[in-house]
Amino acid sequence: RKEVEQDPGPFNVPEGATVAFNCTYSNSASQSFFWYRQDCRKEPKLLMSVYSSGNEDGRFTAQLNRASQYISLLIRDSKLSDSATYLCVVNSGGATNKLIFGTGTLLAVQP
Amino acid sequence: NAGVTQTPKFQVLKTGQSMTLQCAQDMNHNSMYWYRQDPGMGLRLIYYSASEGTTDKGEVPNGYNVSRLNKREFSLRLESAAPSQTSVYFCASSETRGGYEKLFFGSGTQLSVL
Repeated sequence: RKEVEQDPGPFNVPEGATVAFNCTYSNSASQSFFWYRQDCRKEPKLLMSVYSSGNEDGRFTAQLNRASQYISLLIRDSKLSDSATYLCVVNSGGATNKLIFGTGTLLAVQP
Repeated sequence: NAGVTQTPKFQVLKTGQSMTLQCAQDMNHNSMYWYRQDPGMGLRLIYYSASEGTTDKGEVPNGYNVSRLNKREFSLRLESAAPSQTSVYFCASSETRGGYEKLFFGSGTQLSVL
């Protein structure tokens, strides 16, 4: 089982739609969680951290469910500019504390 | 505001050739990293440096060496390139010592080994 798993998509949605991505992680010791965004042929950039109580940044809402070991990202009122790959990132926990990247979920927002 | 700068952007090598990927950051970050990204695999950590003068292996270090030349610079060397090292390479730095609160990435190097 992969340490961080995401549905690769693609998710094809019309402008204005609400779309949600889920990500599961295997290490219950993980303490830090993030969503990164990666545009085609570009470097990843931090979209938002995910906090235990859930957090919102404009049209983006992130949730964490420790019991089920998954995090989610909800995008409301999708824009064409939201088209990108969304990477779920989890720290490994323990002594090494390295970041584990999911393979990403591709979102394509259609006009 | 340059952030993380890595060179070159593209490189084609023949099997057995060597090369060094350069990375520099101007944000005074302590930690620096080298990742590779392959289709269907996600980003995988090759080496990292938690602070100037220290380096540690990541998930896929075989075939690579690194040098943390000073606080700003962290280079990745392929001594004898193999086709399996064809990939996109990203350098990154982070704000906190040994931590991963936020990674800043360079724009990547597309490497092809023939």
